[in-house]
Amino acid sequence: DTGVSQDPRHKITKRGQNVTFRCDPISEHNRLYWYRQTLGQGPEFLTYFQNEAQLEKSRLLSDRFSAERPKGSFSTLEIQRTEQGDSAMYLCASSYRDGTEAFFGQGTRLTVV
Amino acid sequence: SQQGEEDPQALSIQEGENATMNCSYKTSINNLQWYRQNSGRGLVHLILIRSNEREKHSGRLRVTLDTSKKSSSLLITASRAADTASYFCATDDNYGQNFVFGPGTRLSVLP
Repeated sequence: DTGVSQDPRHKITKRGQNVTFRCDPISEHNRLYWYRQTLGQGPEFLTYFQNEAQLEKSRLLSDRFSAERPKGSFSTLEIQRTEQGDSAMYLCASSYRDGTEAFFGQGTRLTVV
Repeated sequence: SQQGEEDPQALSIQEGENATMNCSYKTSINNLQWYRQNSGRGLVHLILIRSNEREKHSGRLRVTLDTSKKSSSLLITASRAADTASYFCATDDNYGQNFVFGPGTRLSVLP
């Protein structure tokens, strides 16, 4: 296992379409986080999972966003009816437990046209 | 929610010089992490320092933490052009559940 992997790396979609991103965390990590990052800014927290349970969601996560982590392994982040303001880098991270290092994937860059 | 704020926003130095970046935060933390991000790429974890630690080293990196001042610093010694990147500090939130990032320091190391 070489780290957190995200797929796809880039996604261009038309406004109004739905998109889904996948994150595969480091295998022994039970915490998984989603962040969003726009150009020139730091990452902003979206949501996190402890195993399969989604324990916290940011107010940034509107009703158009949904995240799942079935069986506590990989996670998906879906954005429905995409808007131009959704254009950003979506980052996934995982950690073994609370208070340990969080390791990030390379991100999925979403462009909504 | 608490947030790390890095200072300066941008830093430009010559190769071989030392680079120091600072991070300030608002409320008590359990730990603080520093990350590096090359343009358009994911974040690379550098160091985690816990609230009961004052200093940690990793290669050319030195991190200090002053909980009384609610601040941390990242020192990169003998900088290289490859160190050019954005550097972020991340603090755990009030519940220790997720990480809150500052806007970052953009470091340019000139050859």
